[in-house]
Amino acid sequence: GQNIDQPTEMTATEGAIVQINCTYQTSGFNGLFWYQQHAGEAPTFLSYNVLDGLEEKGRFSSFLSRSKGYSYLLLKELQMKDSASYLCAVILTGGGNKLTFGTGTQLKVEL
Amino acid sequence: NAGVTQTPKFRVLKTGQSMTLLCAQDMNHEYMYWYRQDPGMGLRLIHYSVGEGTTAKGEVPDGYNVSRLKKQNFLLGLESAAPSQTSVYFCASSSSLGEQYFGPGTRLTVT
Repeated sequence: GQNIDQPTEMTATEGAIVQINCTYQTSGFNGLFWYQQHAGEAPTFLSYNVLDGLEEKGRFSSFLSRSKGYSYLLLKELQMKDSASYLCAVILTGGGNKLTFGTGTQLKVEL
Repeated sequence: NAGVTQTPKFRVLKTGQSMTLLCAQDMNHEYMYWYRQDPGMGLRLIHYSVGEGTTAKGEVPDGYNVSRLKKQNFLLGLESAAPSQTSVYFCASSSSLGEQYFGPGTRLTVT
């Protein structure tokens, strides 16, 4: 079976830094995505990691350790518009580019 | 360039009725997917397609059928709707190695 764990909720202050963790145990692994989803909207792509290490993209960074089955999304200089759900998803082996999603972390940014 | 579009956006069905959800993409992607999203469950893959004329089962295929007669379209059918199929349905598409792009979603209520 596939198991992806994320915290259900997090709260942070505007301007601060927040780290959202994701651990996974899957029968195969071809990479890991992070998506952002605002309430009532579609998920949108944030980052992709296939090799160990840090990928930086503006205010967002994502880290992967394949040996530990662990990833995190780092959001810097938080803004109110960053309040959203953040979804961790693993690409499974076996073809089809199939994703298995975690249940998402609801981030609330406060003043 | 509209990306991924879904019709309808909202629908209410009575138990036992049938309906078809339409997904269209204009990015010439080979792969297309149907997910459902329920509170606390995350996104779950229903069916997917790796090319025109092909379909395959995902994690939760029971009660649904799909067809991919044209490369740009992926249809999801409910033959006899049940209250357990009340959900938000998302379609997505991707190239063979790229991120998945999601449509805006269809909110379906079965009474």
